[in-house]
Formats: sequence, structure tokens, C-alpha cells
Amino acid sequence: GAVVSQHPSWVICKSGTSVKIECRSLDFQATTMFWYRQFPKQSLMLMATSNEGSKATYEQGVEKDKFLINHASLTLSTLTVTSAHPEDSSFYICSAENTGDTQYFGPGTRLTVL
Amino acid sequence: RKEVEQDPGPFNVPEGATVAFNCTYSNSASQSFFWYRQDCRKEPKLLMSVYSSGNEDGRFTAQLNRASQYISLLIRDSKLSDSATYLCVVTRNQFYFGTGTSLTVIP
Repeated sequence: GAVVSQHPSWVICKSGTSVKIECRSLDFQATTMFWYRQFPKQSLMLMATSNEGSKATYEQGVEKDKFLINHASLTLSTLTVTSAHPEDSSFYICSAENTGDTQYFGPGTRLTVL
Repeated sequence: RKEVEQDPGPFNVPEGATVAFNCTYSNSASQSFFWYRQDCRKEPKLLMSVYSSGNEDGRFTAQLNRASQYISLLIRDSKLSDSATYLCVVTRNQFYFGTGTSLTVIP
């Protein structure tokens, strides 16, 4: 299947710092990428839809100024958690849409904010 | 009402057992249906698509009942490696995930 990578796989940072997470589709071009967040024992929740060359579409309740998304190319989307706080600690997963209606997920980034 | 509802389990079954998971979705306009598998601290991986005509892949059988808005996954001859969380996914302009059903296959 299609391959999607994420970097870093885990990060620990101090409260107030910003963290950047990269999502890459390695063997296909993805005009659309998605960012999800998953808290322990909960389902994945869509945060935003990232479209190449245009602004991201954020889900209700997700602060666009806190979670900055940039989709600069057909293979790369970045999520920056600005001024991270302990409540932002979570598992962040990106996915990229290939042909049809299938999403392929990156391995996820585990963020811990101290 | 949640878009997708699943029994969280956990299901603890012996090796070789047959286990069935169910999932319901709330919006009749939902378009596509999938089962994903998620191992602990890993990303979800597509297990199989779900169709009204049924879909079988080895020991796994998935079924969709649009009238009842119900999706099922049947695992036969359970293996230890089947231990994971199984996520029911419904799409309608975006992916909606269930909370997952935890399965542990016991030796």
C-alpha cells in the first residue's frame, strides 16, 4: 500500500514551545492530507483538512491560530502546535488521500508537553 | 448522537475462536465503510473495505447492512497476532472513526 511518513515520531517539550510535525506521502502525490488527534482510549478526531496550495479547513473547536497547517507541496504537509501546553499532549496522526476513497495513515507523532 | 458507535469491549477470546464485532452509524447518507486495525501506540491500518454484498479476506469477513445502518466484522480461527483495536470507519466527506473495539486473543 501507499506509504506515509511522519516526523518526529515522538517529542517531549516544555510548555510554551512550538512543535512542528511533518507528514510526507512517499510514493504518491496527495492533494489532500488530514490531521487527526487521538487521546488515550478515544477515537481519532479530525482536526483539519490540508489542501495543497490553499488554506486548511479546520473542524469546529480546533483553533487555527494554535494549530498551524502548511501544505506547501503535493507530498508534504506540516502541523505546528504553537505555544504547546500539557493539554495538547496527544497522539497526532496525519493521513493522505490516494485515489478513490482510501486514506493512508502516517505512523503518528506522540507529543508530550511538560 | 455519535456518527459511529462501537462496543469498546474488551473482547478476550482463546486462540482459534470466532469473534464478531458490530458497529452502527447514524447518518444514512454515509458513503463508504471500512474496518481499520490499530495496534497499541501505532497508526490505524486498513484492514478491509465493507460492502453490502459482503467482503471476505481469508479469516476476515465484513458485512454492511444499509437498511439497519450496521456494519460487522467476523474473525474466524483467531490468532494471537489478531490482538489489536478494530476501528469502524464511515465516510461522508470526511472519515468518521468509532472508538474502536479491543480484542485480545489468549493462548
